[in-house]
Amino acid sequence: DTGVSQDPRHKITKRGQNVTFRCDPISEHNRLYWYRQTLGQGPEFLTYFQNEAQLEKSRLLSDRFSAERPKGSFSTLEIQRTEQGDSAMYLCASSLKLAGGGETQYFGPGTRLLVL
Amino acid sequence: GENVEQHPSTLSVQEGDSAVIKCTYSDSASNYFPWYKQELGKRPQLIIDIRSNVGEKKDQRIAVTLNKTAKHFSLHITETQPEDSAVYFCAASSTNAGKSTFGDGTTLTVKP
Repeated sequence: DTGVSQDPRHKITKRGQNVTFRCDPISEHNRLYWYRQTLGQGPEFLTYFQNEAQLEKSRLLSDRFSAERPKGSFSTLEIQRTEQGDSAMYLCASSLKLAGGGETQYFGPGTRLLVL
Repeated sequence: GENVEQHPSTLSVQEGDSAVIKCTYSDSASNYFPWYKQELGKRPQLIIDIRSNVGEKKDQRIAVTLNKTAKHFSLHITETQPEDSAVYFCAASSTNAGKSTFGDGTTLTVKP
């Protein structure tokens, strides 16, 4: 499968625990995005990387959230001290950024997080 | 920042009828407008996109129109089929911004 993959697909955790999600983008893609989606809403931007550089973080992203893309390939999203409000689907997307144009983002299957 | 509004939130049509979903955006710098289809429990899948140098694009039963002056774009699905039933999201992004801003989605139901 050459699409975007995410692991795990589902995660149940207790409030206060830390969780880490992984995203493997399409291999030649240089941009990687993290979004959060709750029921009845569109994906909400969290952060994105171009290669290994984190170019933007949403102002809505609390300091409990951190993301890395150390070698410009896979990325991890960590949530520390989880809260019930963190329960959502976490989507990863990747794209190939070329000069001068908006690029198509391809989504992974998501990680569904439930915080009890 | 960019704000995207999408209407209607739900749409029910009879099989064979057409469906139209509309989105408006706020940032005049936005120049790329994709549409995604998301079936229950699955990932959003790109179905069509349009760039700001084009007014209309068509792919079989699906078409998208863009009015840059009015800052709105629309998805048109003709000859709808039950398998078109899903949630559809519009999005807007700009060359420099990178990230996409999504609408809240339209749940389309096609009744056989």
